[in-house]
Amino acid sequence: AQSVTQLGSHVSVSEGALVLLRCNYSSSVPPYLFWYVQYPNQGLQLLLKYTSAATLVKGINGFEAEFKKSETSFHLTKPSAHMSDAAEYFCAVSPMDSNYQLIWGAGTKLIIKP
Amino acid sequence: KAGVTQTPRYLIKTRGQQVTLSCSPISGHRSVSWYQQTPGQGLQFLFEYFSETQRNKGNFPGRFSGRQFSNSRSEMNVSTLELGDSALYLCASSLPVDGANVLTFGAGSRLTVL
Repeated sequence: AQSVTQLGSHVSVSEGALVLLRCNYSSSVPPYLFWYVQYPNQGLQLLLKYTSAATLVKGINGFEAEFKKSETSFHLTKPSAHMSDAAEYFCAVSPMDSNYQLIWGAGTKLIIKP
Repeated sequence: KAGVTQTPRYLIKTRGQQVTLSCSPISGHRSVSWYQQTPGQGLQFLFEYFSETQRNKGNFPGRFSGRQFSNSRSEMNVSTLELGDSALYLCASSLPVDGANVLTFGAGSRLTVL
């Protein structure tokens, strides 16, 4: 069965530091890939998506992610963390033959230290 | 344009009761998905409706059911509520973009079962 692994249920970084949230998937065929963010007491919001175009994908709020087929990874990065980035981040995969169904990672809570 | 609207936002029920949650998708979106989110289990897929038909289904007991109307609005129902049903229920609507199912989420309905 397909799976998505997000390394670290909690990641803590200092304000201004690099943010790196890891996502690995299991799929023999490159799927569609997504990162969503959930702020407290809100629903999820799309940050960015990979749909087999450019491997480096830019999203909202200064985030970007790089699709690496050889590593089956889609890690999310931001050069400089802001306090407002504190939220939970979810990686999701939609295999090509999944009838549009998404497989979700467990989520990573990003904590920003002042 | 208006986002995904979920009602009610908060509700409290007692064990054994039933509950109906409503979701109004973005205009033009024909797919509606439902998710259960709890601190312990994370984001769990319940089901997806497309053009009034259930297209995908997660691994939840039959107490959880849903439907979609001709205007794409959707409802989910949970019968014989259990304490473990306390959760944030999220609805998402979508319109495939580049073959990928890009979800737009509502703010959720927070159910507390006492």
